[in-house]
Amino acid sequence: GDSVTQMEGPVTLSEEAFLTINCTYTATGYPSLFWYVQYPGEGLQLLLKATKADDKGSNKGFEATYRKETTSFHLEKGSVQVSDSAVYFCALSEGNEKLTFGTGTRLTIIP
Amino acid sequence: NAGVTQTPKFRILKIGQSMTLQCAQDMNHNYMYWYRQDPGMGLKLIYYSVGAGITDKGEVPNGYNVSRSTTEDFPLRLELAAPSQTSVYFCASSYPGQGQILHFGNGTRLTVT
Repeated sequence: GDSVTQMEGPVTLSEEAFLTINCTYTATGYPSLFWYVQYPGEGLQLLLKATKADDKGSNKGFEATYRKETTSFHLEKGSVQVSDSAVYFCALSEGNEKLTFGTGTRLTIIP
Repeated sequence: NAGVTQTPKFRILKIGQSMTLQCAQDMNHNYMYWYRQDPGMGLKLIYYSVGAGITDKGEVPNGYNVSRSTTEDFPLRLELAAPSQTSVYFCASSYPGQGQILHFGNGTRLTVT
């Protein structure tokens, strides 16, 4: 079945550092890929998405590129801020309106 | 513009008690979902619904029941609470064709002791 594997956390960085959170997936077909973010005390919200190979999703300075050859969708940001502290979830969907989530990566940014 | 509203925010149950977690959305979304979030385990789908009167099991439906009598409401019922059901529960909704963009509520933290 479908699955998503994320790098284990927690991840702690200093403000303005470069961020990478790794995500790889297993799917039978050609899924859409997503990053969702969960701020403290809130539900998840969509951060970015990509629907086909080589697509790049971007939002709020975050980027992720759909790499079919490596089955990856790594999340990157060039300069993180304290306000980026949250839990980040990678997810996939094979078009049936159901999402399969990774285990989440907790990110803490230190001023 | 409320979005997805979940009640209650917190609840403590004794083993064997029952309760209903409420979920309502005001976006006229056809699809609704219940997930549970356990530490280090990500989100697991409990039940989902593609429209009023239609519900289907997700990955972890045992111990839960749902109903969808209206487009707006999707309550989750726990009949005989067990410690394994201690978790954070999230309701979400989406509109068909929006590419699986889920809108989540803020969650219900349930403890069963």
